Amino acid sequence: GESVGLHLPTLSVQEGDNSIINCAYSNSASDYFIWYKQESGKGPQFIIDIRSNMDKRQGQRVTVLLNKTVKHLSLQIAATQPGDSAVYFCAETPNYGGATNKLIFGTGTLLAVQP
Amino acid sequence: GAGVSQSPRYKVAKRGQDVALRCDPISGHVSLFWYQQALGQGPEFLTYFQNEAQLDKSGLPSDRFFAERPEGSVSTLKIQRTQQEDSAVYLCASSLPDRGQETQYFGPGTRLLVL
Repeated sequence: GESVGLHLPTLSVQEGDNSIINCAYSNSASDYFIWYKQESGKGPQFIIDIRSNMDKRQGQRVTVLLNKTVKHLSLQIAATQPGDSAVYFCAETPNYGGATNKLIFGTGTLLAVQP
Repeated sequence: GAGVSQSPRYKVAKRGQDVALRCDPISGHVSLFWYQQALGQGPEFLTYFQNEAQLDKSGLPSDRFFAERPEGSVSTLKIQRTQQEDSAVYLCASSLPDRGQETQYFGPGTRLLVL
């Protein structure tokens, strides 16, 4: 799998700053990508998604960038707030032409927002 | 509206005991997924249902794991003769097909501890 054990990469930012969380995905055949936010003791919460025919998509305070050439995905959070503190996961859906749209999750990043 | 719910939220089992974990998906969602999340790692796919049909069970780690969704709504994940390595958070997600891509919405998970 893509697990990295108990030591998650951590990004520490000041409240009000912009945050950029990066993710390298594994399958060049993947055609759908999602960012999830997971707070302690809760399930992953959908943030934003992007299809492979796009390279940028914006939501409220969040932007996702997709670079298919280097298989890289990033999540930008504007004006980071303490409530944004959580673990962030990128996920991809490999397009094998089958019925399952199972998600493959990348390495999580712990975002710590300092007040 | 009501999201995905799971019960119990916490389960402590003695090694060798059987457990059953329940998932109530979002009403009307056709697709249902089970994932396993070990501490500090991203969720890993276990199995997938479309209505009552189990279309993919490639992620189930052993034949001790069994899932069902007999009426196409509520699903149960059963683990027989639990072992310590089964300790994890079990997440359920549901989705509504939309142009072939399905955003998955997760429940809060069941945290299983096998002693």
